[in-house]
Amino acid sequence: QVQLQESGPGLVKPSQTLSLTCTVSGGSISSGSYYWSWIRQPAGKGLEWIGRIYTSGSTNYNPSLKSRVTISVDTSKNQFSLKLSSVTAADTAVYYCARDEVAAAGIGFDIWGQGTMVTVSS
Amino acid sequence: VIWMTQSPSLLSASTGDRVTISCRMSQGISSYLAWYQQKPGKAPELLIYAASTLQSGVPSRFSGSGSGTDFTLTISCLQSEDFATYYCQQYYSFPWTFGQGTKVEIK
Repeated sequence: QVQLQESGPGLVKPSQTLSLTCTVSGGSISSGSYYWSWIRQPAGKGLEWIGRIYTSGSTNYNPSLKSRVTISVDTSKNQFSLKLSSVTAADTAVYYCARDEVAAAGIGFDIWGQGTMVTVSS
Repeated sequence: VIWMTQSPSLLSASTGDRVTISCRMSQGISSYLAWYQQKPGKAPELLIYAASTLQSGVPSRFSGSGSGTDFTLTISCLQSEDFATYYCQQYYSFPWTFGQGTKVEIK
């Protein structure tokens, strides 16, 4: 059974770069059947899709964050990563990694990590 | 960007009630819509995709309907474990977007 686990610093200073990694277990990130996404949720608020990556390295980003976001994949480690630059307090949120299927019709995000809280503060 | 209006934002109901949650799109998305349930401190869980297809393992009291711009999530007989927040999400065009959420609370 595939599981996702986020990891990274829980505290980032303003103007610095937030870096998170999602480790995929129970299956291969290189299977070719899935995209791998990052989603965030400020406390008490809704969900915001940040972007996604395919095993080939092809990416799609949310235009609202595109200038600050980089998502990369390391197939040798079965991981994908998020970097968000020039962070402010508005980037404080729970960050989730999630999987969505490469299918003509799509199915949404069927597997999620447990989430990791990131606070931006000096 | 496709904007989504989810209503109501808060729904008070009792165990055994039938409840419906609406999600309206700013433009047509065919059936590229998913519904999620989120409990406090937990990640969202996929309930329904393609507007009306029940994800494996999800109880049959959950159902989804609609296409184009108007969609509905129905819980036919509310159970205690269903008190949670529900989100719709479109995956028709980038960026993927979510509704604002509907919190289902105990009346």
